[in-house]
Amino acid sequence: SQQGEEDPQALSIQEGENATMNCSYKTSINNLQWYRQNSGRGLVHLILIRSNEREKHSGRLRVTLDTSKKSSSLLITASRAADTASYFCATELLSNDYKLSFGAGTTVTVRA
Amino acid sequence: SQTIHQWPATLVQPVGSPLSLECTVEGTSNPNLYWYRQAAGRGLQLLFYSVGIGQISSEVPQNLSASRPQDRQFILSSKKLLLSDSGFYLCAWREASKLFFGSGTQLSVL
Repeated sequence: SQQGEEDPQALSIQEGENATMNCSYKTSINNLQWYRQNSGRGLVHLILIRSNEREKHSGRLRVTLDTSKKSSSLLITASRAADTASYFCATELLSNDYKLSFGAGTTVTVRA
Repeated sequence: SQTIHQWPATLVQPVGSPLSLECTVEGTSNPNLYWYRQAAGRGLQLLFYSVGIGQISSEVPQNLSASRPQDRQFILSSKKLLLSDSGFYLCAWREASKLFFGSGTQLSVL
């Protein structure tokens, strides 16, 4: 079963705006990761945040993690048309070192 | 550097026909390997993972099987495809908790 759930399912923004998407999960985790998928392609790893971290940055990406609420957010600042893609959160559970459980994803469309 | 190859990119198969999808990894040894399936517009469902040659763990009961005949080769198979086997199949290897995906195979069972 899927551990994470992204919200919203879809997001449409103008180029230059920020895009924020959220992920909620159910059980304790080792880490949470965000991936990006362009249409018809494989997923690409964006950023990993460990359970003892609260915020991480990578370029225009900012990820937060609130383990008390079992939730994470991904912020893309100053979006570009090339950011159009689906974004997935994935969780590695405390109980299991080998598997990542993915959510259903947020589809982001950036309008030029 | 490590690379992952997955083929074919697209496949159209009739119901009841066999399936073999192959995935190979280069530039690493003894990787953890994974097969995921993605239904249209949905998230990824873990099908199988392998931590070594001949070691396969199945996540969900299904019409599919996996094998790892060599250290860097992971094969997904079926003896008789069902309509419900249609989807986008992704192979991945793991390093430092992160997954690195192949380009995927779009399987349509008709």
